[in-house]
Amino acid sequence: GQSLEQPSEVTAVEGAIVQINCTYQTSGFYGLSWYQQHDGGAPTFLSYNGLDGLEETGRFSSFLSRSDSYGYLLLQELQMKDSASYFCAVRALNSGNTPLVFGKGTRLSVIA
Amino acid sequence: EAGVAQSPRYKIIEKRQSVAFWCNPISGHATLYWYQQILGQGPKLLIQFQNNGVVDDSQLPKDRFSAERLKGVDSTLKIQPAKLEDSAVYLCASSRASGGFQETQYFGPGTRLLVL
Repeated sequence: GQSLEQPSEVTAVEGAIVQINCTYQTSGFYGLSWYQQHDGGAPTFLSYNGLDGLEETGRFSSFLSRSDSYGYLLLQELQMKDSASYFCAVRALNSGNTPLVFGKGTRLSVIA
Repeated sequence: EAGVAQSPRYKIIEKRQSVAFWCNPISGHATLYWYQQILGQGPKLLIQFQNNGVVDDSQLPKDRFSAERLKGVDSTLKIQPAKLEDSAVYLCASSRASGGFQETQYFGPGTRLLVL
């Protein structure tokens, strides 16, 4: 089976940097993704890491270490609109398919 | 490009009743997914279609849930009969091709179901 661990809540100040960690255990691994979901909204894709290292997209970066079964999402220059839930999700082997398996999410609150 | 459409947005039913949800994916997207998201948790895949064929329904409670995508475009998810624990948001998502590792999934706004 698969399991993912991420903090349930994080609070950070506007303009600051925040890191959301994710550790996972899977049977087979085909990459780590991050999704953002505002309250009442749809999850939206942020990033994907298939290989070790850092991927940067604007203010957001994501890192993966396959040997440590660990990744993180880094949000820089935080804005109030970044207040949302952030989910890590692994691609793992399941009955011949490689579905996305989501963590429980980290609720980020950005305060002034 | 229009996003993933879902209806209804909200539904309240009593336990043991039936309910159906509809999803229209992004035009041209071959792969369609239904997820269940219980409050405070991440989405959980219920079923994945590639065109009109089922790729993965290993987590679909088949005694009460069913889904179809007859013409390879829109899809319906049905619950019959509903239980209290089915209260959740049902999310539909689509992706362009084969659902490969790096492929982005685009989610619809979801249907919020409350079973009383």
